[in-house]
Amino acid sequence: EAGVAQSPRYKIIEKRQSVAFWCNPISGHATLYWYQQILGQGPKLLIQFQNNGVVDDSQLPKDRFSAERLKGVDSTLKIQPAKLEDSAVYLCASSLARISTGETQYFGPGTRLLVL
Amino acid sequence: AQKITQTQPGMFVQEKEAVTLDCTYDTSDQSYGLFWYKQPSSGEMIFLIYQGSYDEQNATEGRYSLNFQKARKSANLVISASQLGDSAMYFCAMREDYGNNRLAFGKGNQVVVIP
Repeated sequence: EAGVAQSPRYKIIEKRQSVAFWCNPISGHATLYWYQQILGQGPKLLIQFQNNGVVDDSQLPKDRFSAERLKGVDSTLKIQPAKLEDSAVYLCASSLARISTGETQYFGPGTRLLVL
Repeated sequence: AQKITQTQPGMFVQEKEAVTLDCTYDTSDQSYGLFWYKQPSSGEMIFLIYQGSYDEQNATEGRYSLNFQKARKSANLVISASQLGDSAMYFCAMREDYGNNRLAFGKGNQVVVIP
């Protein structure tokens, strides 16, 4: 079974530029998550989708971050304009269902973003 | 407020020895789940083990076991017979079942296995 796919793996941009990340979850997984992991910290949830609807975006900086999951499969996360503090690894994860005891989230390899 | 606390400094472990990674959590929910993930230098988060709050027995998955002490709100990971490939960051995470399935992660423990 193929895992969660993400691209690009690495991205270097200058501040105030825009950038987009792509994620393709495990086939059949209804729930998709985007996390931000700053160096030295654990991942922090940015946004959670259930099929193509947003379940939780309370920690998404909406003035510059946006995400969509058209057709309920793959997803894109965009930053516009980027700031220095956005330098981080952006992890995408997916799970079969939203709430289920023992439900596990499976992560992709992440996109490493460096903002100069 | 910090929900997951991992405070151990980086650890060096001799190959084939066991290592225990500490994790304490904070929740007022009765139903929740605890997870451990491994993150090697490649960056991917690899699921290791899960413990439900109502599970009476400690979870085990191969060389991984979870020492769950509910009254103390601790969920320590034990890795037995360490291998060089176990060198990585290890993250403890909690999901509160009456929320939105969001995982709250700790800051991680760095483990280096030496031959």
